[in-house]
Amino acid sequence: DAKTTQPTSMDCAEGRAANLPCNHSTISGNEYVYWYRQIHSQGPQYIIHGLKNNETNEMASLIITEDRKSSTLILPHATLRDTAVYYCIVRSRAFGNEKLTFGTGTRLTIIP
Amino acid sequence: GAVVSQHPSRVICKSGTSVKIECRSLDFQATTMFWYRQFPKQSLMLMATSNEGSKATYEQGVEKDKFLINHASLTLSTLTVTSAHPEDSSFYICSANRDSYGYTFGSGTRLTVV
Repeated sequence: DAKTTQPTSMDCAEGRAANLPCNHSTISGNEYVYWYRQIHSQGPQYIIHGLKNNETNEMASLIITEDRKSSTLILPHATLRDTAVYYCIVRSRAFGNEKLTFGTGTRLTIIP
Repeated sequence: GAVVSQHPSRVICKSGTSVKIECRSLDFQATTMFWYRQFPKQSLMLMATSNEGSKATYEQGVEKDKFLINHASLTLSTLTVTSAHPEDSSFYICSANRDSYGYTFGSGTRLTVV
């Protein structure tokens, strides 16, 4: 699986959009981009995933650059409950039983 | 949905004893489950892949005789930490994959060995 690079930490004001970047310059054509988050002392929570088109769901939007070497997770109106560690992961199949490998992630702190 | 239940949520045990952690897929069948370990302020590290009806696959550096994995049914995988020591104290998390829902994680088990 391709390696990802994320900033170690970020702050965002409550109510503002939180934009979390991820670099995955070695991503292959069949690799998907996944985002998970982990709130303190809980298991990771799935947020969103995509291949090359931008995606949106009830939690977030995922913007993938045209060359697919980077992506941005957008939380449109951050709340205090969005404070968590966010992990960007790339892997070769959207579904199936390949393992997920976690990097260090970005610790997002929402400021009141 | 795809729900994975993990039990217990926290356990304290004495050094030298064994502890069993259960991971259940509640509304789907999982032929494969994954076990992770997370130390404070660190990321999740994959320990092993649990396969229903066959032996688990362990990641490099993980002692298979210390971390026993059993996946006897399509909805249950167990991780037993044998002869636990304080350095085994950690947050253990299981995960399973359900097509169309992706990977779902349990809520984790906080193990403290005293």
